[in-house]
Formats: sequence, structure tokens, C-alpha cells
Amino acid sequence: NAGVTQTPKFQVLKTGQSMTLQCAQDMNHEYMSWYRQDPGMGLRLIHYSVGAGITDQGEAPNGYNVSRSTTEDFPLRLLSAAPSQTSVYFCASSYGGGISPLHFGNGTRLTVT
Amino acid sequence: AQSVTQLGSHVSVSEGALVLLRCNYSSSVPPYLFWYVQYPNQGLQLLLKYTTGATLVKGINGFEAEFKKSETSFHLTKPSAHMSDAAEYFCAVSDPGGETSYDKVIFGPGTSLSVIP
Repeated sequence: NAGVTQTPKFQVLKTGQSMTLQCAQDMNHEYMSWYRQDPGMGLRLIHYSVGAGITDQGEAPNGYNVSRSTTEDFPLRLLSAAPSQTSVYFCASSYGGGISPLHFGNGTRLTVT
Repeated sequence: AQSVTQLGSHVSVSEGALVLLRCNYSSSVPPYLFWYVQYPNQGLQLLLKYTTGATLVKGINGFEAEFKKSETSFHLTKPSAHMSDAAEYFCAVSDPGGETSYDKVIFGPGTSLSVIP
């Protein structure tokens, strides 16, 4: 089982560039979410989705955009990268929303210069 | 909105000693609670979860946690630390949705555990 797959593993961007972080899961989970991990701050929820066509903001949504056209995929778009978005990004999914355990991908390490 | 605090950003224990990692949450209703572990350069893995029922929850690798409603705590323990337990540990709580939002999971800041031989 592949589980949750994130691509790319590493990315370097210049300030102002845009890019999309990809996330795919093969477990037929309705719930998917994006977190960023920064030292001393734990994981902060960026956006989440409870099913195709339904998304909502988390604690740290500014500068990011999401859409959910299929159950399997939940891409995260950086509209105009800033150094403050340098972080490790994790995608996670679950079968029952916030009350079920999350399955995490291995992360994308993003550096914005 | 829910919040989670973890006392101690870094904890060191000797191999074979008790591990105690603290977690407190803010909630007026019993939440769903989780502990996750993150090994270097990896994603997070579920250690254990509390939903309803028995307040002492057993997880993988010999870890357990006790839900104490009166103290709004969910501390993680292991009787005897092993070198392989060195990792980052995160406490998390479900934040139930309301009229305009859905359930989501909120994480604490994490505790880095070091095990000294």
C-alpha cells in the first residue's frame, strides 16, 4: 500500500514564484489536510477537506490555496512564495475526519530564498 | 477553539528510566485525543488514541496514556526507555466543527525525547 504520497520531497523557490505541492492517497479517505511544521511550533493546520469539492481553512491559511476535485488528490498551491513559507509541509488523510487517526505522508521540505 | 500545550520542549531520560511526556488541552467537553511520534526525516505515526471508554489507553512500543478529565490532561508514559524511543512526540486533539466548519485536528508544539545510554 502506498498510503499518502507527497511530491516533491525537496523544493527551492525564489521569492514571488508559485508552485503546487502534490498529495495523493489510495485509501479512499474522505478527509485530507495540509500542515506545516516549524521548529518550536509543532504542526499548524493550513487547509483541510472533508470530501471532493469541500475545503475549509485551518490556523495558517494565508498565502496558500487548495481545491479538491477528486477523493484521491489534494494539492496545495503557493500563490507567491515568501521566505516565511520556508517550512516542512505534511499532507495527512483519515477516514473519519477529526475523530480518526491521521495517516501522514513523508513531507515536502520547502526553502524560499 | 481547541488548543494543546506540551510542557517541556525537550526531555532527556536515561535508558531504562521512566518516560513521562505531558499534554494538556483546553476543552469544555471530552475530546478525542491522540499521541503521534515522528522519527527524523519521517512523517508522523500514531502511537495511541483516546475516544471514549477506558481512560488508560495502551499504544504501540509499550507506551500508554491516561485521560484525566478533571485535569484536562493526557500524559504519555513508558515504564522503561529504550534508545529507539528517541524522537519527537506530538499530542493532538480533535476540534469539533460547528455550524460553519468541520472537525479538524490541532497539534501541540511537540516534545523532543532524548535517551541517554
